[in-house]
Order: sequence, then C-alpha cells, then structure tokens
Amino acid sequence: DTAVSQTPKYLVTQMGNDKSIKCEQNLGHDTMYWYKQDSKKFLKIMFSYNNKELIINETVPNRFSPKSPDKAHLNLHINSLELGDSAVYFCASSMTGVAYEQYFGPGTRLTVT
Amino acid sequence: AQSVTQLGSHVSVSEGALVLLRCNYSSSVPPYLFWYVQYPNQGLQLLLKYTTGATLVKGINGFEAEFKKSETSFHLTKPSAHMSDAAEYFCALMEYGNKLVFGAGTILRVKS
Repeated sequence: DTAVSQTPKYLVTQMGNDKSIKCEQNLGHDTMYWYKQDSKKFLKIMFSYNNKELIINETVPNRFSPKSPDKAHLNLHINSLELGDSAVYFCASSMTGVAYEQYFGPGTRLTVT
Repeated sequence: AQSVTQLGSHVSVSEGALVLLRCNYSSSVPPYLFWYVQYPNQGLQLLLKYTTGATLVKGINGFEAEFKKSETSFHLTKPSAHMSDAAEYFCALMEYGNKLVFGAGTILRVKS
C-alpha cells in the first residue's frame, strides 16, 4: 500500500551512461515532482508535472528529461551522467491547489563513478 | 525571491527536554509554511503545515509550530524530546506552482 514509490532505490553507474528512475503514486494526486538532495542534504525542486503537463522546470540541464505517461507516473531520464549528478532524487506528489502537502517517495540514491 | 533560513545545522537536547528548531522565512506574499522530518535513508514526512487561520499549528508526534508574521518565523517545538525524534528536520515555504523552497535542514540529536 505504498503511497509514492521509486525504483531503483540505489543506482551506481559510470560517467557518460544514461539511466532512468521511475516514480509511481497511488494517492490519486494530479501533480508530481522531482527534487534533488545534494551531498549537503540541500533539497531543491527540479520539475513538476500536472496531469502530464510540465509546470516547473528549474534550470535543470537538458540532460535531465522527465516523462509523465499518465498522472500516476513521473519518470526521470538522465543522459550522459556526470559526477555532479550524484545525489538522492526524491519524487513527490500532491493534489493541485494552494498549499496541498506533498507526499515524498523513499528516494533514489544515484552514485556516478 | 522567497527563502528559508534554519538557524543551527545541529541541535542537541537531552531526552525529556524541550525541542526548539528555528526557521525564518522571507516572502513578499503571505506564506504557506511546512515542516518535514527525514529519518536516515528515508523520504520526507510531513510534520505540520501553516496556511491561514490559527497561528499555532499542531502536528504529528507531539510537535507544534507557531507562525509569527512580525518576526517572519515558524519555529518548531516539542515539549519533551524522545529518542525517536532524532532525525533531520526541514522547514519549507511554498511558492507559485506548489513549489517547495527548503531550508538547509537541522539535525536533531537526542541524548539519553
């Protein structure tokens, strides 16, 4: 009965590779987000989607491409991985509307070597 | 631009003592404020939120926070710390598009 799930939980890969992280929510929410938490635990939003439409794109390199096949899924594809991409990536979801709380997934720890 | 500042990257309290985690914000519009907790190797869990109305907000696990507009603060408190409260706590402000802007986090250590 997991609310927001992400796969994989851990991802270790080499520079230059392409990888994807998947996110699914079963809360019936219509908005989903990707956040990046760096090595100093600082959290910053990357993208948000509402009903499969991109709403927020926070000056993220275009090597990062989110894809939302439906409102319950938001995947993150990363091309040509760099060392600086190493971080924990969190997916979250919420309902549209002012100040609805966001529910976070367990995170995907990406390590680029 | 809106921002959140958490004073003290580490706070240490004894079990049973008062917990006080400080959060100040900068916003040009009435803010929506949140506190999240992150346990090691886990995602973020919402503790409480302030939108409008009552300025003292009660959350889960005995935590509460008070919105003080004059001080631009939203400090998190708990009367009596428990060992299970040891975690990292994040204060956040909601911007347009439901975008959360987070503070840098405060690690709470509870000593027995």
